[in-house]
Amino acid sequence: DQQVKQNSPSLSVQEGRISILNCDYTNSMFDYFLWYKKYPAEGPTFLISISSIKDKNEDGRFTVFLNKSAKHLSLHIVPSQPGDSAVYFCAASAGQGGSEKLVFGKGMKLTVNP
Amino acid sequence: KAGVTQTPRYLIKTRGQQVTLSCSPISGHRSVSWYQQTPGQGLQFLFEYFSETQRNKGNFPGRFSGRQFSNSRSEMNVSTLELGDSALYLCASSSQGARYNEQFFGPGTRLTVL
Repeated sequence: DQQVKQNSPSLSVQEGRISILNCDYTNSMFDYFLWYKKYPAEGPTFLISISSIKDKNEDGRFTVFLNKSAKHLSLHIVPSQPGDSAVYFCAASAGQGGSEKLVFGKGMKLTVNP
Repeated sequence: KAGVTQTPRYLIKTRGQQVTLSCSPISGHRSVSWYQQTPGQGLQFLFEYFSETQRNKGNFPGRFSGRQFSNSRSEMNVSTLELGDSALYLCASSSQGARYNEQFFGPGTRLTVL
């Protein structure tokens, strides 16, 4: 059972426009969410995170929105750049006093066209 | 600081064999997590080690095992390899765990089982 779902396998946007990547989760115990970016032949790199006590977190061009009632989060990239083309993973964790495994979605490939 | 390193980068084995993968975390990091990435399942958590103790475990069969040494380096072992074990195996380190600090991933070991 996929507890973290990224239902769209790919997204293509034009440079300068907004990219919106969506993620849904089913486990109401999740209280911390992260986005990772992965380029081919490299490991994922951390992008941005959000705690369940917040509904928005912003870092430069990247903003993550959390809607707990809908169990939905989204990553907004504005403006999108060709270098943002990568696979993006949504991940979630449920606190266990310091020992928390991450549950990842299957990833979504973003292509930003020049 | 040097990043997370994984050896070997590529490995080809045949069914029934066993394999050992190695991960050296970032200096000072005590938590090492292992993930399996496949096209169909995305990133799946295998286990996490912290200070030489397995702190968390995913839903993988007992053929998958790991250990961590006193210098925080970690190994994972897969016995009696099956075709379905072909995947990218990623190691990630963090100072405490996935929650409080973002994990830093290595480039992965690409395992092909023939």
